[in-house]
Amino acid sequence: DTGVSQNPRHKITKRGQNVTFRCDPISEHNRLYWYRQTLGQGPEFLTYFQNEAQLEKSRLLSDRFSAERPKGSFSTLEIQRTEQGDSAMYLCSTGQGTYEQYFGPGTRLTVT
Amino acid sequence: AQKITQTQPGMFVQEKEAVTLDCTYDTSDPSYGLFWYKQPSSGEMIFLIYQGSYDQQNATEGRYSLNFQKARKSANLVISASQLGDSAMYFCAMREGSLTGNQFYFGTGTSLTVIP
Repeated sequence: DTGVSQNPRHKITKRGQNVTFRCDPISEHNRLYWYRQTLGQGPEFLTYFQNEAQLEKSRLLSDRFSAERPKGSFSTLEIQRTEQGDSAMYLCSTGQGTYEQYFGPGTRLTVT
Repeated sequence: AQKITQTQPGMFVQEKEAVTLDCTYDTSDPSYGLFWYKQPSSGEMIFLIYQGSYDQQNATEGRYSLNFQKARKSANLVISASQLGDSAMYFCAMREGSLTGNQFYFGTGTSLTVIP
């Protein structure tokens, strides 16, 4: 257990529904990343926060995806109008130093 | 072009033997960091080792060492004295830029199986 928690651990939703995932970082960590990982692939970068500021967002990320990190603590990732192609593991990682990155257990999304 | 390339989808190694997992990278940024992560079947990503582009010596962490060949743009992971618990997926990753680079790029991974 790295200390990074993600909820829920599993989510099953019907196509077209909105879903929201939460990531709680290790308390002193100011860097927070969201990734998506599909079967047989490495994690794919989605977005990055430094404290509450969203500094980078993947060009691959559609407008249906949005992330927030109010007050620089926990973060949420919302997917609107889910599609079957959104089925994946969504990983959150946090860090403090230049290269620290501790991953949470992930949220597995299944879109039916 | 792929930022990180791992050409070995699967590897097998005898217990107690050493194994090398290959990784090549592509960047024009002079400042970057290279990482290796382990992902067991439980799914959680575990940080193993880090190498900065300006580091003169190869990084080592216990049984893990990173064979950094800058001119060849390779960052191979060497695991010595393999243990059954080393069976997992291994991912190579890169972060570009020391101050402005915020994206991590991951390879497709290598599945390592340690044979008793």
